Amino acid sequence: EIVLAQSPGTLSLSPGGRATLSCRASQSISGSYLAWYQHKPGQAPRLLIYGASSRATGIPDRFSGSGSGTDFTLTISRLEPEDFAVYYCQVYGSAFGGGTKVEIK
Amino acid sequence: EVQLVESGGGLVQPGGSLRLSCGASGFMFSYFWMYWVRQAPGKGLEWVAKIKPDGSDLYYADSVKGRFTISRDNAKSSLYLQMNSLTAADTAVYYCSRDTMGGHSQDVWGQGTTVTVSS
Repeated sequence: EIVLAQSPGTLSLSPGGRATLSCRASQSISGSYLAWYQHKPGQAPRLLIYGASSRATGIPDRFSGSGSGTDFTLTISRLEPEDFAVYYCQVYGSAFGGGTKVEIK
Repeated sequence: EVQLVESGGGLVQPGGSLRLSCGASGFMFSYFWMYWVRQAPGKGLEWVAKIKPDGSDLYYADSVKGRFTISRDNAKSSLYLQMNSLTAADTAVYYCSRDTMGGHSQDVWGQGTTVTVSS
């Protein structure tokens, strides 16, 4: 079973700042199978990135994904107020990482 | 509009059972893998179960294997989760979601239904 470890647990940043979130897999996975989601309290999770680097429909280009093998990254280039949320990586069809909370500094 | 709507959550005693439903609309339900994902209070997302489009293959997280059963009725565009032998650890918001055909991810999610296991 693949385990995903996300870091940091919490990221405190100001609007306009740059967020870099890490997701490390316990074994190498195909980049095609790595996705990122945004989740806000009381809302449904939202798909941001699939295939490690492809933006889902309607996702602004300030969100970008990269990585391969065991190390993957989600970058938010300029934080907007609506971007403060919890972000999860997921290996296709199964385990999620523990999440990174992006909070307002 | 593509939509998933969960129902069936509520308060149940430890050891009890509950059946969740998820109604789909706006897309060809029978073409897609479907999932249940949960979030316990103060915790992260946890994948629970998934089912093939024709219902022939079922997969479960270890934490629910042998207690939960995922099923679907393609004629009714509905997904189900039968939950038995519930414990406090099963208290969570339960979401149904749709596979992204070819995208190896889940692109449509319901708003969730809350299950509380308590005496």
